[in-house]
Order: sequence, then C-alpha cells, then structure tokens
Amino acid sequence: DAKTTQPPSMDCAEGRAANLPCNHSTISGNEYVYWYRQIHSQGPQYIIHGLKNNETNEMASLIITEDRKSSTLILPHATLRDTAVYYCIVRVWGNAGNMLTFGGGTRLMVKP
Amino acid sequence: DAGVIQSPRHEVTEMGQEVTLRCKPISGHNSLFWYRQTMMRGLELLIYFNNNVPIDDSGMPEDRFSAKMPNASFSTLKIQPSEPRDSAVYFCASSFGRSETQYFGPGTRLLVL
Repeated sequence: DAKTTQPPSMDCAEGRAANLPCNHSTISGNEYVYWYRQIHSQGPQYIIHGLKNNETNEMASLIITEDRKSSTLILPHATLRDTAVYYCIVRVWGNAGNMLTFGGGTRLMVKP
Repeated sequence: DAGVIQSPRHEVTEMGQEVTLRCKPISGHNSLFWYRQTMMRGLELLIYFNNNVPIDDSGMPEDRFSAKMPNASFSTLKIQPSEPRDSAVYFCASSFGRSETQYFGPGTRLLVL
C-alpha cells in the first residue's frame, strides 16, 4: 500500500472550515484514499473514503486531485468536538485482509 | 447496536503475569482485528481474523502474544508472560465482508508494572 504524508498538526477556528491535506504521490490506480480520526482516549472512527471522484457525507468532504497524488479532507464547520488526530490511509479496496496501516496523522486542534 | 465491546477497559498487572483481553465484534461482522497503540509506535495491526480464521499474524510482536477467535462473537488476545514494554492501549475492530469501514472498540488500557 502507498504511503502518505500529513502535517503533524493544524489549528482551526471553531465554525470555520478545516482543510486537512494528505500527500500520496505513489498511489496506484486501484488504491483508495481513506480517512479515519481518533478523538482522545477513543478508538479510531471512519470518516470517508474515495477513489478519484470527490466524495461527501454527513461528516466531511473529500477532494482528490486529478492526478490522485494528493487529497484534502474538509470539515465544513469545525466544532470543538472535531479536535482529534486525523489519519489519511491509502490502500486497495477489498484487499485480502482489509488491513489499515496508520501513519502519524494530523493532530487538529479546533479553538474557540 | 452496541458496537464493538472490549473488556476490561483498564488493566494493571505485574510483570510476568498473564493478561487476557476480550473482544466482542459487532453482530454479523466477519472480520476482526487487534491493534496496539503506543506513543512511540502509534497504531499497529497485530493480527486479523476472517470468518474466525487467523489470516495474518505478522504483526504479533513475539511468542508471548497469542490470539484466538473460537466463534464469530468472541475473540481474545493473551499475553503470557507480560512485560512492562507491553503497556499500551489495545483496540479491537470489526468489519463486514468487503466493507472497508472498520468499527473500533473503546480499547483496553494495559499497564504492566
């Protein structure tokens, strides 16, 4: 599975959009981009995933560049409860094992 | 749905003792994963099961660690004997079929003195 690069930390003002970048320049054609987050002292939580089209759900939007070498997770109106570590993961969908490899992630701090 | 259930939530033990962590996956899920999280190493996959069968245990640190899944609704991760370096938060997660969404439990915080 391709590796990802994320900034170690970011700040965001409450109510504003949080844009979390992820670089995955070695991504291959059959690899998806996944985002999970981990709120302090809890287990990781799935947010969203996509292949090449932009995706949106009730939690966030995922924007993938045309060359698929990078993506951005957007939390449209960040709240204090969105303070967490956000993990960007790329892997083959339906890969035997369904395994996730977590990197260092981005620690997002939402401030009042 | 109760989600993934793990017990105990906290465990403090002395070096050399046996530790057993338990996990109940979400009903109907057929894949189960054990992860370990430490400050130094982050989140690491230890082992995963598919349809109760261990598929990949390459992440298990050493022979002191063992995991079982006797049925679809229960799994254990055992450490014998435990060592201080095993201190970590252990997460269990489950997923269904080809679904890429893994649901994590609240974790077991283990401290080995």
